[in-house]
Amino acid sequence: QKEVEQDPGPLSVPEGAIVSLNCTYSNSAFQYFMWYRQYSRKGPELLMYTYSSGNKEDGRFTAQVDKSSKYISLFIRDSQPSDSATYLCAMSGGNTGNQFYFGTGTSLTVIP
Amino acid sequence: ETGVTQTPRHLVMGMTNKKSLKCEQHLGHNAMYWYKQSAKKPLELMFVYSLEERVENNSVPSRFSPECPNSSHLFLHLHTLQPEDSALYLCASSQGGPRGNQPQHFGDGTRLSIL
Repeated sequence: QKEVEQDPGPLSVPEGAIVSLNCTYSNSAFQYFMWYRQYSRKGPELLMYTYSSGNKEDGRFTAQVDKSSKYISLFIRDSQPSDSATYLCAMSGGNTGNQFYFGTGTSLTVIP
Repeated sequence: ETGVTQTPRHLVMGMTNKKSLKCEQHLGHNAMYWYKQSAKKPLELMFVYSLEERVENNSVPSRFSPECPNSSHLFLHLHTLQPEDSALYLCASSQGGPRGNQPQHFGDGTRLSIL
């Protein structure tokens, strides 16, 4: 079983839609959860960083962590064409030696 | 300059060549990382350098050789690579080292193509 599972998509939505991106994981020891955005021909850019369970909001972005279900989500409200990118989830902590585990990324296209 | 800078951005080399990738971070971090990113695969951690330790993924072939002369600079020396080594090589840095759980900040990568 992979440490982190992420649907690769591609996901295509109209401008203004609410986007939901998700990752599941198998190691209950993970405590730190991140979302990165990666534009074409660029490196991953940190979008959200959360610790343990709960929600964190930053502008149009909301990160949710449900440790009981081993499930994390990133919501994008009022999606814009500039949100078109690949979104990577990452996590670490606990008994993992603090190595970061990444999902494969979800490709998102927001259509004007 | 700010952030994490990688050079060159693109590299095409034959299997018998020797080349080096360079990374420089201007964030004052004390840990640096090399990752390999291939299509439809998770980022693969290759090497970590921090004040406390050097960590390497045992599955990385010896044709990849890292060098970290100080906390701001990281190199990846390449020799006799194989076509399956073609990928995007990303450098990252963080504060607190690999045991600090601080988020990693990435450069834009070197796109490597092996002929």
